[in-house]
This record gives sequence, C-alpha cells and structure tokens, in this order.
Amino acid sequence: DAMVIQNPRYQVTQFGKPVTLSCSQTLNHNVMYWYQQKSSQAPKLLFHYYDKDFNNEADTPDNFQSRRPNTSFCFLDIRSPGLGDAAMYLCATSGRTGTSVGQFFGPGTRLTVL
Amino acid sequence: AQSVTQLGSHVSVSEGALVLLRCNYSSSVPPYLFWYVQYPNQGLQLLLKYTSAATLVKGINGFEAEFKKSETSFHLTKPSAHMSDAAEYFCAVKINNAGNMLTFGGGTRLMVKP
Repeated sequence: DAMVIQNPRYQVTQFGKPVTLSCSQTLNHNVMYWYQQKSSQAPKLLFHYYDKDFNNEADTPDNFQSRRPNTSFCFLDIRSPGLGDAAMYLCATSGRTGTSVGQFFGPGTRLTVL
Repeated sequence: AQSVTQLGSHVSVSEGALVLLRCNYSSSVPPYLFWYVQYPNQGLQLLLKYTSAATLVKGINGFEAEFKKSETSFHLTKPSAHMSDAAEYFCAVKINNAGNMLTFGGGTRLMVKP
C-alpha cells in the first residue's frame, strides 16, 4: 500500500543534542510537509517542500532545518533541542493541485527531550 | 483568509449514542473541507472530505458530514458511537490558491462512555 513512513516512532534526545527525524513516502507526491504538534493542540506547520522548493513558515525557529534529497525522502533536523521542542512531529504529503485534494499523514515521531 | 472553529474541545457521549462534532468555517470562496481523526500516538487519518460535489459526505467508520453553506458549517456525525471512536478529531479547510495547504481547527476530543 502507498503510504507515508516516519522513523523512528519514538525518539529520546538530550537537551542541546542534535537530532534528525526521517520521513519517506511511496505516494510519489511532490509536496511534503513537516508539522509540530504539542499535547492537545492542532498540528502547527513548520515548513513544506513543493518539489525541491523549500517554504519556511515565518514563525518557525531557526533551530529547525529540513532537507529533501529526493522525491521520496524528507528530513527534519533540530540543531539544539530544547525542552520546549518535545512534541509529536508529523510528516504529510500531497499531490499536485488539481490531481488530488488533501494531505496524507505519517504516523508521527514522538520526541522527548531530557 | 480561511479559518476553522471547532465548538467544544471535549465531547463525551455514551456508547450507542449519536456523535455530533461541530465545525464552522470562514472562507471567501467555496471551500474544500476535511475531517481527520487522530488516535493516541498516531498521525492524522482522513475521515472524509468535501470538494464541492455532494453536500452530504460519507466517510470511513460510519461517519458522515454535511456541508451547509448558509450556516458555514461542516459538522461531523455518527448515528451510534462505539468505544473505538474515542480519539481527537480535527476539522480543516484548504487554503485556496495555495496548493493543498490546510488550516486546522483546534480539535475536539471525543470520549465514549460504556
């Protein structure tokens, strides 16, 4: 089945220690998104890629970076995690406008910062 | 700009009772609307979507939603709640002229009592 995969599902890191979260997709979608979701809140968009074009939300901290080496993979790098960065991180994909409507989400990575 | 309001951050129903989760939107153009469900420590799963076809939309797990333009609403219903329906539900509207970007409501946590 076509899907969005996130690894790892649970990640524990130490305060200030860089961490990378991974997302891959078999849907061949050209748009990939990264969201941060804190407890009992809606997902908050951090950035998205339209093909290789990177689009950063205005309020996304510089501490968060992303890479998309190819269509299938996208990475979220947190350079110096703080306690406030503990959250669920969701990856999503969508197709080209007009071909499909809506976003498809992965299972998420729960990040704990000690 | 498009926005979504979900009335009631928590809804509690008895097993077998009607489920009604409220969503109101604002949009200057005909909207595309979505309902997603999120189980604990999972990503968002698409329940159903309205894309300007039939106003009554049927989704997975027995859920349906009706688009009412006059009321700017897209409420989610299910005739008979099941214990497995306990989850967080998010209503979202597609941001027009921005690919498949979404604006999410604040979410409603559904609790089902035995």
